Amino acid sequence: DVQMTQSLSYLAASPGESVSISCKASKSISNYLAWYQQKPGEAYKLLIYSGSTLQSGTPSRFSGSGSGTDFTLTIRSLEPEDFGLYYCQQYYEKPLTFGSGTKLEIK
Amino acid sequence: EVQLVESGGGLVQPGRSLKLSCLASGFTFSNYGMNWIRQAPGKGLEWVASISSSSSYIYYADTVKGRFTISRDNAKNTLYLQMTSLRSEDTALYYCARRGYSGNWFAYWGQGTLVTVSS
Repeated sequence: DVQMTQSLSYLAASPGESVSISCKASKSISNYLAWYQQKPGEAYKLLIYSGSTLQSGTPSRFSGSGSGTDFTLTIRSLEPEDFGLYYCQQYYEKPLTFGSGTKLEIK
Repeated sequence: EVQLVESGGGLVQPGRSLKLSCLASGFTFSNYGMNWIRQAPGKGLEWVASISSSSSYIYYADTVKGRFTISRDNAKNTLYLQMTSLRSEDTALYYCARRGYSGNWFAYWGQGTLVTVSS
């Protein structure tokens, strides 16, 4: 199975700052990577797929980069609504697997 | 607006069965693959099963293979997960999710239904 590692389980930042969340795959997954956001009481929301393609409705301050084994989700100029949990997911092969999540909190 | 509404969760004893449903609306259900994903309390996300749009292709996680059955009724816009021989480790919030238009990402998620396996 492809193991997905999000090394930071917790990240604190202030509105207006930029942050990067990393995700590492245990083997090369090309760009078969998606990013999701979860906020309390809300359904999971797809932000990015194919490593860097923004899902319709995802604000342009979000960007995804990387290929192979190392990926990054970057959020420029944080807005209050950006705080929550972020997960990466590989879909290069089954079983489909997720990172353990990074909680982005307000500093 | 895409909506996925899960139902059927509850408290069940180990070894018993339970069937989850997911009612879809806001898109042409018969055109998309669907998935079940679960999240145990305080834990991360675990993909459980996938089914293609016409039910031709079905995949399971090893942890549920042989015990869970994913199915769908395109006439009713409904996805199912039949769970048998339930174990305490199956306790989780179960989400249904729609496949991406051209890849195995999860484009839309429901809010989940809670399954608790306990005596």
